[in-house]
Amino acid sequence: NAGVTQTPKFQVLKTGQSMTLQCAQDMNHEYMSWYRQDPGMGLRLIHYSVGAGITDQGEVPNGYNVSRSTTEDFPLRLLSAAPSQTSVYFCASSYHQTTSGPTYNEQFFGPGTRLTVL
Amino acid sequence: RKEVEQDPGPFNVPEGATVAFNCTYSNSASQSFFWYRQDCRKEPKLLMSVYSSGNEDGRFTAQLNRASQYISLLIRDSKLSDSATYLCAVLETLMNRDDKIIFGKGTRLHILP
Repeated sequence: NAGVTQTPKFQVLKTGQSMTLQCAQDMNHEYMSWYRQDPGMGLRLIHYSVGAGITDQGEVPNGYNVSRSTTEDFPLRLLSAAPSQTSVYFCASSYHQTTSGPTYNEQFFGPGTRLTVL
Repeated sequence: RKEVEQDPGPFNVPEGATVAFNCTYSNSASQSFFWYRQDCRKEPKLLMSVYSSGNEDGRFTAQLNRASQYISLLIRDSKLSDSATYLCAVLETLMNRDDKIIFGKGTRLHILP
């Protein structure tokens, strides 16, 4: 298993450009999510998905779009890049169990994409 | 109030000492809790899940206090290799929304030789 893969590892954009950060997992996980990590801010949830065809907004969704057409892939699109979107982006996946009782959802993270917007 | 809060530290602790940090959460309906470890410029990795009865894994002990809405992590006999940022995470169960996993900002730990 490759686990969670992210591409690219590094990216530099100019203000106003658009791009897509790719994320894929081969563990058949239902739950996938995107976080951004800035110094002193921890991990902030951008968007997440509990299964193919379902997406939802996290804490900081503005300026980002996602789609989940397959279980494996969860791309993050920056519509018009801004310097405030300079950050490290992590994709994560996990099983998502909603039956009664405690649910244990260890998240597996990709290696991250370091994005700089000039 | 932020959904998940942690003391950012840094905690500077001599090797061999015991260190503990807490994480508070605001959603009383939260069901699952986790501690992750993150090394510099790396992705977070699961350290421990936190069970309602508390759990221990070697030198690490995690506790859950539902009444006061916090989880704790205790590290005994600390090693230099324990230096890292420790993130707590909470699975939030929301009415009419999908469950989501929220992280705290992390606590930085430096073990001093």
